[in-house]
Amino acid sequence: GQSLEQPSEVTAVEGAIVQINCTYQTSGFYGLSWYQQHDGGAPTFLSYNGLDGLEETGRFSSFLSRSDSYGYLLLQELQMKDSASYFCAVRDKPPTGGGNKLTFGTGTQLKVEL
Amino acid sequence: EPEVTQTPSHQVTQMGQEVILRCVPISNHLYFYWYRQILGQKVEFLVSFYNNEISEKSEIFDDQFSVERPDGSNFTLKIRSTKLEDSAMYFCASSEGGKAYEQYFGPGTRLTVT
Repeated sequence: GQSLEQPSEVTAVEGAIVQINCTYQTSGFYGLSWYQQHDGGAPTFLSYNGLDGLEETGRFSSFLSRSDSYGYLLLQELQMKDSASYFCAVRDKPPTGGGNKLTFGTGTQLKVEL
Repeated sequence: EPEVTQTPSHQVTQMGQEVILRCVPISNHLYFYWYRQILGQKVEFLVSFYNNEISEKSEIFDDQFSVERPDGSNFTLKIRSTKLEDSAMYFCASSEGGKAYEQYFGPGTRLTVT
């Protein structure tokens, strides 16, 4: 079966740096995405890694190691508005005509404190 | 900025009744999806739709579920005979061709089955 594990909760202070890890075990692997979800809201795309290494998008960076089946999301200069749930998601089939489902991880609740 | 819209925002129905959840994906997107999220849990894939047909579906998407693109803009999810365990937030999403890792989610429909 498919498995994407994340820590359930992370707490950090405003201005700090936090790392949210994701380890996956899936039948196939064609990239790791990260989504943010505020309470009651829709998931919002943050970042994507198709290849190993670091991708940087403003305050957010994401890292992938395919050999370790592991990735992480790094949030810098934390702000109160970053308090939300963060999900990793894997595409487990090749990007052909229609096989584009995302399998989501268990989610990490990030709490940013003053 | 273009966005995915969903109606209604909240639907209450009795067990055994049929419900139709409606979505308008982003206009130039080619791939459409339905996901659901039971309160406090992860986002689960239901079905993907491309080129006017289902491209992939999960085990959750049994014979009680169906999807349709009745015209050039709407995308619907029908549940024929709702069960208590169908109570969840249902998200519609869409993506461009070649960028399925970046899916745009609608605000969701909260379905409550009593």
